[in-house]
Formats: sequence, C-alpha cells, structure tokens
Amino acid sequence: GQQLNQSPQSMFIQEGEDVSMNCTSSSIFNTWLWYKQDPGEGPVLLIALYKAGELTSNGRLTAQFGITRKDSFLNISASIPSDVGIYFCAAHGSGNTGKLIFGQGTTLQVKP
Amino acid sequence: NAGVTQTPKFQVLKTGQSMTLQCAQDMNHEYMSWYRQDPGMGLRLIHYSVGAGITDQGEVPNGYNVSRSTTEDFPLRLLSAAPSQTSVYFCASSKSGARETQYFGPGTRLLVL
Repeated sequence: GQQLNQSPQSMFIQEGEDVSMNCTSSSIFNTWLWYKQDPGEGPVLLIALYKAGELTSNGRLTAQFGITRKDSFLNISASIPSDVGIYFCAAHGSGNTGKLIFGQGTTLQVKP
Repeated sequence: NAGVTQTPKFQVLKTGQSMTLQCAQDMNHEYMSWYRQDPGMGLRLIHYSVGAGITDQGEVPNGYNVSRSTTEDFPLRLLSAAPSQTSVYFCASSKSGARETQYFGPGTRLLVL
C-alpha cells in the first residue's frame, strides 16, 4: 500500500538552530500536509500544500510540495523551546474523499 | 464551539470485552475519521465517513466497527478487544474531505490486558 517515509525519526537541537525534516514516497500525491502534535494532545495542522512546486510559509515554518509530487519538506527557522513535539507529514491522492496517509513522525526536542 | 470531543480519555479493558469510543463535533463537518497512533508508526486510518449514513474502511479496519447516524457523532466500536488494540485513538473532522484541515480530538488512551 501507499507509504510515507519521514526522516529523521528524532532530532535534538539547540535553541536558535534551524531544523529540516522531509517526507518521501514512491506514490504520487496531490496534497501534502504538515501537522504538529504536542504531548498529550491531538495533531494540529501547520501548513497545507496543494500544488506541485508550491512553497508556503507560516511564520518561522516553511514547507514545499516536491515537483515530482512524491515528496515534501518542512523547515523551522530559529527554533524555540515551544517547537518541541512530534511533526507529521500527511498526504492525500485525488478528490476530497478517501484516505489521508501519515508519516511515522519526527520527534523534535529543543535545548534552551 | 467545543470542536471535536472524545470520551473516555482513558480506558482499561480485558481481552474479549467490548466497548464504544465516543466522538462528537459541533462544527457541522461532513467528514469524520478515526485513527490509531502507535509508537514509531504515525497515525493509521481505521474508518472514515463522508457524511451521515456513509462509512468506509481505512488502512486498519479489522476489529473495529463504525456507524454515522448523525452529522455530529461518529462512534468507534471494539467488538472483542485484543491486546493488539492497545493504542491511542484519535477522532478527527473536516468540513467536507480528507485533504482539508482536519481538527483532531484530544484522544482516548486504551489499554487492553
């Protein structure tokens, strides 16, 4: 079945550093999404990408929809302690029904 | 708006017991879904619904049943709990489909002994 490979699995960085994580697949998708999950809570949408090549920013976060439609990356600039959490990529095929596939997640820890 | 609510927050079951995880949303969303989250595996879709009276299977539907009699509610039933169903369960909803912003509930932690 369709699968998303997210890397790295975990990161431990110093406050102020930039962070980069990515998601790849052997399948083509029409939508890429990035979610963040704080401890003990449900995921919250950070950025949604709907067009191949699209580059979108949300504050210190920047994400891109790969031109091949098989990958996406998320960058966080100047990390702060509240960036701690699990980041998930998610992808969807055509239309607006059906299944949303999630990556395995990247656990981010930030040292003050 | 309360958003997406889930009950209970935590549950312990014995193998073979049945139970229903409740999910409700007050945003008049058509699309609702259930995921399970296990360490190192991300979120996996169990079942989803595109509207009242319509449900479909996700990636890991075995051992779970759903129904959608109203727009607001989307309960998940475990017919005969197994230790492999120990997990954290999340319900989510969106206005009309999977590719839109999905709003997640706080989760239900289930332990099956």
